Amino acid sequence: GDSVTQMEGPVTLSEEAFLTINCTYTATGYPSLFWYVQYPGEGLQLLLKATKADDKGSNKGFEATYRKETTSFHLEKGSVQVSDSAVYFCALKGYGGSQGNLIFGKGTKLSVKP
Amino acid sequence: GAGVSQSPSNKVTEKGKDVELRCDPISGHTALYWYRQSLGQGLEFLIYFQGNSAPDKSGLPSDRFSAERTGGSVSTLTIQRTQQEDSAVYLCASRTGGSDNEQFFGPGTRLTVL
Repeated sequence: GDSVTQMEGPVTLSEEAFLTINCTYTATGYPSLFWYVQYPGEGLQLLLKATKADDKGSNKGFEATYRKETTSFHLEKGSVQVSDSAVYFCALKGYGGSQGNLIFGKGTKLSVKP
Repeated sequence: GAGVSQSPSNKVTEKGKDVELRCDPISGHTALYWYRQSLGQGLEFLIYFQGNSAPDKSGLPSDRFSAERTGGSVSTLTIQRTQQEDSAVYLCASRTGGSDNEQFFGPGTRLTVL
């Protein structure tokens, strides 16, 4: 079945460092790909998405490019801030059908130190 | 504009008891999902409702789990004869429009089975 694998955390960075969180997927067809973020004490929020190959999703300085050839959707940010400390989840929605249920990776906890 | 709300926020119960968890989706959102977030398992899809269609129950882990959605709005997730492995955070999400649209998540109910 479909699955998502993302790098295990926790990841600890200093402010203004470069961030990469790796995410790879296994799916049939052409899934849609998402990054969700969970800030401390808050619910999951959509960060960005890409629905077809070579699409780049971006939001709040974060970017991820849908790479079908490597089945990857790595999350990147050029300069992280303390406020980016959160748990990040990579997810996919299978191609076709109407359900739209998401398949999540296990999450990567990011801590940014001032 | 209220977001997705869930109640209770925390529930502690004894093994073998039944529990009911409630979700109030965003008004007008036709699709509703339940997920479970547990240590070691990450986020797992449980069940999906869309309008008046029959729910997709493919993610329910056992027949002790059931859910209903009344009037196309409020949903309750029921776990019968709870077991310790049911301890997790149960998340509800709703969306409108197509299946690639953002799912809006509630804050979750943390269930602890003693």
